[in-house]
Amino acid sequence: ELKVEQNPLFLSMQEGKNYTIYCNYSTTSDRLYWYRQDPGKSLESLFVLLSNGAVKQEGRLMASLDTKARLSTLHITAAVHDLSATYFCAVVSGSARQLTFGSGTQLTVLP
Amino acid sequence: GAVVSQHPSWVICKSGTSVKIECRSLDFQATTMFWYRQFPKQSLMLMATSNEGSKATYEQGVEKDKFLINHASLTLSTLTVTSAHPEDSSFYICSAARLSSYNEQFFGPGTRLTVL
Repeated sequence: ELKVEQNPLFLSMQEGKNYTIYCNYSTTSDRLYWYRQDPGKSLESLFVLLSNGAVKQEGRLMASLDTKARLSTLHITAAVHDLSATYFCAVVSGSARQLTFGSGTQLTVLP
Repeated sequence: GAVVSQHPSWVICKSGTSVKIECRSLDFQATTMFWYRQFPKQSLMLMATSNEGSKATYEQGVEKDKFLINHASLTLSTLTVTSAHPEDSSFYICSAARLSSYNEQFFGPGTRLTVL
């Protein structure tokens, strides 16, 4: 059974600071996603990572994937208040290509 | 492209009644649709996977007689919560997978169900 662990669960940081969210998964997968969820809303797709060493960046967010370590990171650079949200990683598995989600990281960026 | 809608956005119902939630892929044909449930401050939990024209595959612990899924066409799947109880109150999110995108899932906006 695929397990996806995310940490930290809660993160409070000041504007301008950097931080990294970690996502570990237990079995081999060929695809990992990062999503953002605002309160009361559905998921917004941020990144899809397909191969070992993949790195993608969009604004102040950068995601990377190490398939050998089964680890993905979401790095936040110079955080701003607008980044406050819950971030989920999700890993693909199974013949139906199901997604297994991490527990989520609730990020609060303080002024 | 790849827009998924859900209807209704929110619903409040009395205990014991049934509620139907629709999930539509508006601009593509979905080979597979997924239904998730999300309780407050928790992650998304996959409830079931459905393919057009066949029976849904339910995850362990999800009662198939309580959560009826119908996937009658390549653009529509419905989830019916039968005899709803307060513990069924949750945020229900569907996603639709497009075959040409390696089955990438596109998420609907979610339906908030409150059972009184």
